[in-house]
Amino acid sequence: DAKTTQPPSMDCAEGRAANLPCNHSTISGNEYVYWYRQIHSQGPQYIIHGLKNNETNEMASLIITEDRKSSTLILPHATLRDTAVYYCIVRVAGSGAGSYQLTFGKGTKLSVIP
Amino acid sequence: EPEVTQTPSHQVTQMGQEVILRCVPISNHLYFYWYRQILGQKVEFLVSFYNNEISEKSEIFDDQFSVERPDGSNFTLKIRSTKLEDSAMYFCASRRDRGTKNIQYFGAGTRLSVL
Repeated sequence: DAKTTQPPSMDCAEGRAANLPCNHSTISGNEYVYWYRQIHSQGPQYIIHGLKNNETNEMASLIITEDRKSSTLILPHATLRDTAVYYCIVRVAGSGAGSYQLTFGKGTKLSVIP
Repeated sequence: EPEVTQTPSHQVTQMGQEVILRCVPISNHLYFYWYRQILGQKVEFLVSFYNNEISEKSEIFDDQFSVERPDGSNFTLKIRSTKLEDSAMYFCASRRDRGTKNIQYFGAGTRLSVL
């Protein structure tokens, strides 16, 4: 799986957009970008994923650069409940019979400030 | 919304005792996982399970660990003789099937404290 690099921490004012970057310069053509978050010590929560097109769902938007070497997770209007550790994970999607376990790094600790 | 359920939320045990951590994956999911997170450290993969057998396991998952799906709904992790270093949060996850999504859904975790 491709290695990812994320800043260790970020602050964001409540109500503003939070933009969390991730570098994955060694990503290969069949690898997807997944974002999860972990609020305090709860289980990781899936946010969004994408291959090369930008994606949006009810939680966030994912912007992937054209060369796919980096991406940005955008929380459009951050709230205090978005304070969490955000993980960017790159791996194949799992169309075969393999395990496809997730490999978590240290992530970015996002603090939303009132 | 369907969710992965784990019990108990907190388990305290004495070193050397056996513990069983229980998980009820989402009902139509076919792939099951256990991860652990030692306090302040990364979430680490332990084992994956599909079609009633282990599909992959990490170096952490040694002979002290075992998994079982005893019936159609439960998925358990057993630690035969707990050690102090087994103290951690244990997360169960499940995934529906193969395909482009590979979205794993995690439970809230069981905090295991070995004294």
